[in-house]
Amino acid sequence: QSVLTQPPSVSEAPRQRVTISCSGSSSNIGNNAVSWYQQLPGKAPKLLIYYDDLLPSGVSNRFSGSKSGTSASLAISGLQSEDEADYYCAAWDDSLNGVVFGGGTKLTVL
Amino acid sequence: EVQLVESGGDLVQPGGSLRLSCAASGFTFSSYWMHWVRQAPGKGLVWVSRINRDWSSITYADSVRGRFTISRDNAKNTLYLQMNSLRAEDTALYYCVRGLDTPMALDYWGQGILVTVSS
Repeated sequence: QSVLTQPPSVSEAPRQRVTISCSGSSSNIGNNAVSWYQQLPGKAPKLLIYYDDLLPSGVSNRFSGSKSGTSASLAISGLQSEDEADYYCAAWDDSLNGVVFGGGTKLTVL
Repeated sequence: EVQLVESGGDLVQPGGSLRLSCAASGFTFSSYWMHWVRQAPGKGLVWVSRINRDWSSITYADSVRGRFTISRDNAKNTLYLQMNSLRAEDTALYYCVRGLDTPMALDYWGQGILVTVSS
């Protein structure tokens, strides 16, 4: 059971927009920055969003992040087949004194 | 170009030990926090441990505390994970990861190294 809660899967058609939620608590998302990671099949994870809503250099602006209270969201617009991947949220947890991840969300582009 | 290359993975019996290494290049290794993150086959990401630039701050996940030891050699640009008293549930792909401090984020990942604990 992961500390951060994500939906196991989401799906949407090409060129549409999808959001992935990440729910936590006051000891993690509520008090610390959220980051998001994309893991393509058979590959290592890649940083997608950091500090709740910032994009690292080289990441497409089709990806965006937001946070409100103890929940965060990742939005992907203009869906493409190459966006099919597992997506993870993460944050520091003050109570556990460690990094906590969501269980991951598998995105299927129909 | 930032590169993180893990080595040392193997098949080991329960109760055994293993040391993972991660060779870093393309950045000033001594300036960054470093982490280990693992992923069991078909499962999600699980954080294992982190170490700051000068060893003054080290933290572990509850599941490995007392069995695993993280360390680094800034002169050799290398991160280590000493794993003792290994259990079947430690079987996973272990990633070496560069970390940002504030805000916390894991910005570069190695390709991972497989550790299998089985008799």
